[in-house]
Amino acid sequence: NAGVIQTPRHKVTGKGQEATLWCEPISGHSAVFWYRQTIVQGLEFLTYFRNQAPIDDSGMPKERFSAQMPNQSHSTLKIQSTQPQDSAVYLCASSLWGVYEQYFGPGTRLTVL
Amino acid sequence: AQSVTQPDARVTVSEGASLQLRCKYSYSGTPYLFWYVQYPRQGLQLLLKYYSGDPVVQGVNGFEAEFIKSNSSFHLRKASVHWSDSAVYFCAVSAMTNYNVLYFGSGTKLTVEP
Repeated sequence: NAGVIQTPRHKVTGKGQEATLWCEPISGHSAVFWYRQTIVQGLEFLTYFRNQAPIDDSGMPKERFSAQMPNQSHSTLKIQSTQPQDSAVYLCASSLWGVYEQYFGPGTRLTVL
Repeated sequence: AQSVTQPDARVTVSEGASLQLRCKYSYSGTPYLFWYVQYPRQGLQLLLKYYSGDPVVQGVNGFEAEFIKSNSSFHLRKASVHWSDSAVYFCAVSAMTNYNVLYFGSGTKLTVEP
């Protein structure tokens, strides 16, 4: 079991550029979550998929952020026109449906210059 | 709405000493409670969880936590800490009514001194 895989581990973008973050959940896990971690705001929920379907995106900023899960083996978080305030560690987690504990990947540290 | 408070941003203890990290939650229904640990440049690792039953739950590496409903608390304890326990510890709550979403406290950075 390789655990949740996130790529890249680090990404540096210039202001206004696009960033795409990848997550591969644990095989067999049907729920995938995205969280954002910053010093100021702590750990914040962004969005959540179950069986590839978007369930709750209430934590996603309304503009520039989008997430997809095109198949059961990966999910992407896309940030268009990145801004310095988007700098954060983005964490992906997965779980079995009906089981409440989540297993986290190592995160992607996004730095927007 | 759910929320979690970890009142201690930083805790320093000596190796071999006992430890308690405090966590209080706010939720009107039945909470599902978790403690996670985060080592530098790593993701979160699950230490222990409480769903129901015995209010004292055991976790990995000698950690335990006690759910006290009357106090809305879920404090983490360890009888004797090791230098390798130095990390950031997060308490989290999940509610059945909001799917599996986890709501985290602000974290407590634990430093174990030799």
